[in-house]
Amino acid sequence: NAGVMQNPRHLVRRRGQEARLRCSPMKGHSHVYWYRQLPEEGLKFMVYLQKENIIDESGMPKERFSAEFPKEGPSILRIQQVVRGDSAAYFCASSPSDRGDNQPQHFGDGTRLSIL
Amino acid sequence: AQKVTQAQTEISVVEKEDVTLDCVYETRDTTYYLFWYKQPPSGELVFLIRRNSFDEQNEISGRYSWNFQKSTSSFNFTITASQVVDSAVYFCALLTGTASKLTFGTGTRLQVTL
Repeated sequence: NAGVMQNPRHLVRRRGQEARLRCSPMKGHSHVYWYRQLPEEGLKFMVYLQKENIIDESGMPKERFSAEFPKEGPSILRIQQVVRGDSAAYFCASSPSDRGDNQPQHFGDGTRLSIL
Repeated sequence: AQKVTQAQTEISVVEKEDVTLDCVYETRDTTYYLFWYKQPPSGELVFLIRRNSFDEQNEISGRYSWNFQKSTSSFNFTITASQVVDSAVYFCALLTGTASKLTFGTGTRLQVTL
């Protein structure tokens, strides 16, 4: 009975490197959401994906960030040329549909990204 | 635009005290859903409750209770007889009928001491 699986749990990168965060949704869930939590702040929506489609990326920074949810395999959040300000906890959530009455979104344990 | 306000940044209580965490929301949608999540020191997010906009009935689950008041756009959370294990950051969140993303408040850090 696996929940939303995120890995790695902790990721350390040097400035300029790339960070790849992975998220496997709960079984039967085809909707994936990424949120970012900066230190001492609430979660902010980044992107919402369904299989092979980006539905809403209104919260994604315009540069360096990208997300995908391929037909096979986990969803990937990719951050290129990381900077210190990217240090945060990145949470993935999944749901069986986007209907409000079919929520809540179930969250993974998050990936803590630290930039040296 | 959607907005969630948790005015209490931090609350400290002694074990066995009752504590209420406030949440005020803003939306123009008539269909929406309100949530509370708990984030313990270990960092994961734990779902506590969902309430939809058509159901103003208050809910009680053990020591937890929620008071939804559409007239004041509030969805407050009360912990009765608090325990040290309740120490965490609590987030209120809003999901509207026209969007799939959760809008979170900034959270309230609850510290329960012996």
